[in-house]
Amino acid sequence: KQEVTQIPAALSVPEGENLVLNCSFTDSAIYNLQWFRQDPGKGLTSLLLIQSSQREQTSGRLNASLDKSSGRSTLYIAASQPGDSATYLCAALFGSNYQLIWGAGTKLIIKP
Amino acid sequence: DVKVTQSSRYLVKRTGEKVFLECVQDMDHENMFWYRQDPGLGLRLIYFSYDVKMKEKGDIPEGYSVSREKKERFSLILESASTNQTSMYLCASSFQGAALEKLFFGSGTQLSVL
Repeated sequence: KQEVTQIPAALSVPEGENLVLNCSFTDSAIYNLQWFRQDPGKGLTSLLLIQSSQREQTSGRLNASLDKSSGRSTLYIAASQPGDSATYLCAALFGSNYQLIWGAGTKLIIKP
Repeated sequence: DVKVTQSSRYLVKRTGEKVFLECVQDMDHENMFWYRQDPGLGLRLIYFSYDVKMKEKGDIPEGYSVSREKKERFSLILESASTNQTSMYLCASSFQGAALEKLFFGSGTQLSVL
């Protein structure tokens, strides 16, 4: 069974720290992996999409990596700010279908 | 920027009512999706569509139906609303390609069924 796991479920760090969010998946035959941000009561915003042929993607202070052999993706946030506080979800696409397998998310709190 | 618009931000309905949730995207995306999100259960796919008039069941289609008469519009229908359908409903869309491209979400509809 294909599964995506995000640990920890919640994380609190002081402002200014660099931090890493983790996403692990059970099937190395992955097509792509996306990281999303969700603010309370709102929809999801796609942050980064990594294709299976790529090792990492960067957008501003965010860097996402993909390691198929270890079944891991990480989202690195540099110089964290209170505005980064949100829930971060990862979702992986396996096989040639249109269904994403979702992680449960990590709720991130950046303390001023 | 891609825009996915859900017609209502909050809805309150009574048990047994027929409920329509509307979603419109403005980027000519082929794929459209309906999810529901519940605390502790995460996102669950209800239905998706990869073309006009096409629909596929997701993980939890029971109690729901969908309609896609035009490419830009994907409607979710609760035939007879029940209290266990109280949830946050999220619509999403993407381009169709060899692999699923970036997914764009609407702001969500918080539905309460009383």
